[in-house]
Amino acid sequence: NAGVTQTPKFQVLKTGQSMTLQCAQDMNHEYMSWYRQDPGMGLRLIHYSVGAGITDQGEVPNGYNVSRSTTEDFPLRLLSAAPSQTSVYFCASSYFPSGGETQYFGPGTRLLVL
Amino acid sequence: AQTVTQSQPEMSVQEAETVTLSCTYDTSESNYYLFWYKQPPSRQMILVIRQEAYKQQNATENRFSVNFQKAAKSFSLKISDSQLGDTAMYFCAFMMGGSNYKLTFGKGTLLTVNP
Repeated sequence: NAGVTQTPKFQVLKTGQSMTLQCAQDMNHEYMSWYRQDPGMGLRLIHYSVGAGITDQGEVPNGYNVSRSTTEDFPLRLLSAAPSQTSVYFCASSYFPSGGETQYFGPGTRLLVL
Repeated sequence: AQTVTQSQPEMSVQEAETVTLSCTYDTSESNYYLFWYKQPPSRQMILVIRQEAYKQQNATENRFSVNFQKAAKSFSLKISDSQLGDTAMYFCAFMMGGSNYKLTFGKGTLLTVNP
């Protein structure tokens, strides 16, 4: 199993550009989520999904869109990048977390918005 | 809303010694789960240990153990026989039980193990 994979590893964008961060998992996990990590802030939840076709907002959803068309993939879209979105982005997945299931994290995508 | 507080931004320890990282949390719920994640310089988030709030017994994983004080809402991580590879950022995290899926993280403690 590859676990949770994320592409790209690093990306530089100009303000106003759009892009999609890719996340995929091969563990047949129902639950997938996106976090951003900023210095001194820990990780904060952006969006999450409990299954194909179902998504919901987390703590910091503004400026980001998600969709879940398959169990395996959960892409994160930046519609119009802003310098405030410079961050490290982590995708995570788990079995349906009704019992505190462990979430498994991808290696992260570092995004720099100029 | 739940909050998680890690009051020690940075700590250091000598190789082979023991160190304890602090974490407190605030919740009015009785059913929840607590986690410690390790983030080494590679940035990969790695689960260290998990605790169910309804279990009184403290979780242990090899050299890592927790001191879970439910009444005090405290969840500290003890690392015994510290190794250079333990150098990392450590995050405490909280998840409510039932149909709530969100992990709430503390701001992290940077642990440096010195030779």
